[in-house]
Amino acid sequence: AQSVSQHNHHVILSEAASLELGCNYSYGGTVNLFWYVQYPGQHLQLLLKYFSGDPLVKGIKGFEAEFIKSKFSFNLRKPSVQWSDTAEYFCAVKRGDNTDKLIFGTGTRLQVFP
Amino acid sequence: DAGVIQSPRHEVTEMGQEVTLRCKPISGHDYLFWYRQTMMRGLELLIYFNNNVPIDDSGMPEDRFSAKMPNASFSTLKIQPSEPRDSAVYFCASSPSTDTQYFGPGTRLTVL
Repeated sequence: AQSVSQHNHHVILSEAASLELGCNYSYGGTVNLFWYVQYPGQHLQLLLKYFSGDPLVKGIKGFEAEFIKSKFSFNLRKPSVQWSDTAEYFCAVKRGDNTDKLIFGTGTRLQVFP
Repeated sequence: DAGVIQSPRHEVTEMGQEVTLRCKPISGHDYLFWYRQTMMRGLELLIYFNNNVPIDDSGMPEDRFSAKMPNASFSTLKIQPSEPRDSAVYFCASSPSTDTQYFGPGTRLTVL
C-alpha cells in the first residue's frame, strides 16, 4: 500500500536556524506532492505543491521543497525560521494515475523559540 | 469566498448519542472529503464524494459512521451511536477537480 513517511516527529529550533523536514513516499509512478501547515488551533493550509516541471518548488512564507524522484523524497526547507513558523507540517502525496485520494504523513511538529 | 464552512466547531456529547457534523464546501468544487485527526492515528481520510456521489468510503471505521451529500453545497457526517473513541477533530475539505484540497476549520468532537 502507498505510504508517506515523515521521520522527524518533533523538531525544536531557535529563530534564524535553518529548517529541513523530511518526506518520503512509497509509490513508484507519477505523483503529485503537497506540504500543508497547521498552525495551533487552526485548519490545514497549503504551503506548496508539486505537479510537474521544476523540481524545486517555492511556496508561501519563504518555504521551498525539492522533489527528488530517485529518492522518492519531497523535503521541505526554509533557510531562516521565525517564531511564527511554530506549527505542525504535513506532507501529502496523490498518485498521478487519476486517483483522487491524498495520503498524508503523520506530521512533524515544529517548535521555534525566540 | 468564505472557504469551507463546518459546524458545529465544538461538540460535546455522551456515549450512545447521535452526532451530526455539517460541511459546506467552496462553491464550484466538485470534490468533498471527510477526514478525522487524532494524536494516535494522525489525519485519516474517511470518505470522499465527487459530484455528490460517494466514491470511496473505505476509511469509514464502522457502520456507526455514515456520510451523505444531498446536494453540491452540503454534506453531513453522522455517528450513531457515538463512543468515546470517536473523540477527534473532524475536517471537511473540498477541491476543484483533482487539484489542491481546501480544508475547513474542523469540528472538535468529545464523546464522554
